Amino acid sequence: GESVGLHLPTLSVQEGDNSIINCAYSNSASDYFIWYKQESGKGPQFIIDIRSNMDKRQGQRVTVLLNKTVKHLSLQIAATQPGDSAVYFCAETRQSGGTSYGKLTFGQGTILTVHP
Amino acid sequence: ETGVTQTPRHLVMGMTNKKSLKCEQHLGHNAMYWYKQSAKKPLELMFVYNFKEQTENNSVPSRFSPECPNSSHLFLHLHTLQPEDSALYLCASSQVGRNQPQHFGDGTRLSIL
Repeated sequence: GESVGLHLPTLSVQEGDNSIINCAYSNSASDYFIWYKQESGKGPQFIIDIRSNMDKRQGQRVTVLLNKTVKHLSLQIAATQPGDSAVYFCAETRQSGGTSYGKLTFGQGTILTVHP
Repeated sequence: ETGVTQTPRHLVMGMTNKKSLKCEQHLGHNAMYWYKQSAKKPLELMFVYNFKEQTENNSVPSRFSPECPNSSHLFLHLHTLQPEDSALYLCASSQVGRNQPQHFGDGTRLSIL
């Protein structure tokens, strides 16, 4: 069945270290992927996205890598800061029938804790 | 500010009450969504509206009734809810079309007594 899941439910790092959060997906029809950050008491916040015709995309301190061969997605955060502590979700979307919206399927999330 | 505002932020209601959740987006988007977020479960899509028309009802019980009067506003009317409906209800918006990121509000925390 369809699923978007995470290998590690929790990740604890020291301030200044690099963080890598992983995500596996099972649907080969997935063509667009998004990473979200959710802080306590807030809604998911868009971080970065990547289309299936790309392998890598960089933002400010973040990099998303996509390996379509093994259906794996990762989010790398450089020089992790205490403010990066949050739950990180990957989501995948693919065209749904004839409709023009992408139906998002979310993973369960990884809790990132950054220690000063 | 995310550009998507949800009210109220917290709501406690009895099972026989009727209440409504409100969502407003200031991003110029034309698609809006309701999601349910329960503890230890992935976000669940409930409803999708494109250009005010409902395009998805993800097998949601009829005690949840959405309304989208225009592309900027979305409501979720609640009646005769069950304790298992206690959750965080999130609204999101996006542009209609392929590969458009959805932007979320901060949600309404709903508790059913």
